[in-house]
Amino acid sequence: AQSVTQLDSHVSVSEGTPVLLRCNYSSSYSPSLFWYVQHPNKGLQLLLKYTSAATLVKGINGFEAEFKKSETSFHLTKPSAHMSDAAEYFCVVSSYSSASKIIFGSGTRLSIRP
Amino acid sequence: DTEVTQTPKHLVMGMTNKKSLKCEQHMGHRAMYWYKQKAKKPPELMFVYSYEKLSINESVPSRFSPECPNSSLLNLHLHALQPEDSALYLCASSRTGGLAGEDTQYFGPGTRLTVL
Repeated sequence: AQSVTQLDSHVSVSEGTPVLLRCNYSSSYSPSLFWYVQHPNKGLQLLLKYTSAATLVKGINGFEAEFKKSETSFHLTKPSAHMSDAAEYFCVVSSYSSASKIIFGSGTRLSIRP
Repeated sequence: DTEVTQTPKHLVMGMTNKKSLKCEQHMGHRAMYWYKQKAKKPPELMFVYSYEKLSINESVPSRFSPECPNSSLLNLHLHALQPEDSALYLCASSRTGGLAGEDTQYFGPGTRLTVL
């Protein structure tokens, strides 16, 4: 069985400060993990994905995430927030046991203060 | 080209209307998906087509009828919808619908559906 938990429903940071969006997962098999971003009234855009290669994954727009198996975590970080980062972020898990289905976290809304 | 296109962008329909949503991709992907997303919620999977065959139907009411005419095109036919069906409908595609959990799903911009 798989599940994914996003620990914060809303995160607010000041522009120029670091961003941390937290995600924990549960998977019986070796998981693939993704972060997607969704701007208001838009579709989802892939930020980055982990597929059992390097544990530190770099994505677009300066985001990165670290896969920590011992902590079953895949937290998303960015060193310096920009106003354009304000959006909804979804952590997603899939595995070879559920090929066509991916499990979404409940989402974290990121707000950026000027 | 990593684009999934969806038409129309917005749709308003009455409960007795019949309408269709369209999704297209030209990435050679063999799996295509329909999701429903309510406000402030994650997307919910509705249907999966793998190699043009319906492989997953998440107990969706029959007023939603998917169709995959070819490997690039996915339709969602709507009939006798209810106001609670108002949502953002997202289409996605991935390289394969087989045993490849690491496949990335590429999402379209969605169709905003309002049922009056």
